Amino acid sequence: EAGVAQSPRYKIIEKRQSVAFWCNPISGHATLYWYQQILGQGPKLLIQFQNNGVVDDSQLPKDRFSAERLKGVDSTLKIQPAKLEDSAVYLCASSWQGLQFFGPGTRLTVL
Amino acid sequence: GQQLNQSPQSMFIQEGEDVSMNCTSSSIFNTWLWYKQDPGEGPVLLIALYKAGELTSNGRLTAQFGITRKDSFLNISASIPSDVGIYFCAGLIVLRDDKIIFGKGTRLHILP
Repeated sequence: EAGVAQSPRYKIIEKRQSVAFWCNPISGHATLYWYQQILGQGPKLLIQFQNNGVVDDSQLPKDRFSAERLKGVDSTLKIQPAKLEDSAVYLCASSWQGLQFFGPGTRLTVL
Repeated sequence: GQQLNQSPQSMFIQEGEDVSMNCTSSSIFNTWLWYKQDPGEGPVLLIALYKAGELTSNGRLTAQFGITRKDSFLNISASIPSDVGIYFCAGLIVLRDDKIIFGKGTRLHILP
């Protein structure tokens, strides 16, 4: 069974530029999550989708971050404009019966 | 808000030694999870625990769901070089919001 797919794996941009990440969850998983993981810390939830609806986006900095899951399958996370402190690994996960399975992440470096 | 205290933050051990780490919470969970994260990869689920007092093994890994439902333990026996990485505990309440609360991780180093 294929796991959670994410792209790109790495991205380097300058501050104030825009960036987008893509995630394809495990087939059949209705719930999809985006996390931000800063070096040396555990993952921090940004947004949770159930099918194509948002369950929780309370930790998403909505002035610059946006996410969508239009058809209830794959999802994109966008940052516009990026700041230096956005440098982190962005993890996507999907879940089945509460168990979350993670993708490999996208490592973002903002210069 | 809910917090998980995971300890130790890091460990330096000799190959072949056993490892113990734990996680405590101010809140009750009905599911405890243990993940391992290798450099440049996402966390990989190692063990899931669903019942207070439950002891579950996965190869050389053994984890326990504490009786109080506020703590969990992970033991690794006879450590090998590929055990190096960061181990995260996580608690959730299934069928409520399926939101996982992560600990800050235990970084395991193995000395040659």
